[in-house]
Amino acid sequence: LAKTTQPISMDSYEGQEVNITCSHNNIATNDYITWYQQFPSQGPRFIIQGYKTKVTNEVASLFIPADRKSSTLSLPRVSLSDTAVYYCLVAPASGGGADGLTFGKGTHLIIQP
Amino acid sequence: DAGVIQSPRHEVTEMGQEVTLRCKPISGHDYLFWYRQTMMRGLELLIYFNNNVPIDDSGMPEDRFSAKMPNASFSTLKIQPSEPRDSAVYFCASSPLAGGSTDTQYFGPGTRLTVL
Repeated sequence: LAKTTQPISMDSYEGQEVNITCSHNNIATNDYITWYQQFPSQGPRFIIQGYKTKVTNEVASLFIPADRKSSTLSLPRVSLSDTAVYYCLVAPASGGGADGLTFGKGTHLIIQP
Repeated sequence: DAGVIQSPRHEVTEMGQEVTLRCKPISGHDYLFWYRQTMMRGLELLIYFNNNVPIDDSGMPEDRFSAKMPNASFSTLKIQPSEPRDSAVYFCASSPLAGGSTDTQYFGPGTRLTVL
């Protein structure tokens, strides 16, 4: 099953756009890409999911190139409240088993004033 | 909807004691997951259930850990005997559809376990 690699930490400033990239070189044809966000002392919460090209919702955008070997979570005009850990998951739509649910350590995003 | 409910929120116990963590999933959700989070290893899946049946427990670290789901609205994760290295935050999550791992998971607030 596809393994993901993402930066351990990133920092930025309020009002900036932040892009977090996740590498998944071994992504399979039926794999989807899902991003979760976790605030301190809380459980992770779903942000966005995609299969290819671009997906946008009220929180973020997800860019997936044609080869799908990486994906980029884009947070527009971040604020201090966007400081959190962001996880990238790659898993099939069904039958993925436990391997597809590996959250790992995620990317610690710190937003400064 | 109250969301996923976990109890207790904090647990402090001594090495060798039995610990039971509890979870009430969101009503109507078919999947229930137990995770453990530590600084060293991040967020790890321990076990998950589908319609109350354990599907994959390969993440359970050893025989000291056991999980049950006697009905659709309740699950327990038990550690017996507990050890200091079990200290972590344990999360329960549930998922609404039988579509597999890409379905959105809804996490509870977690139980912070400290084993002295």
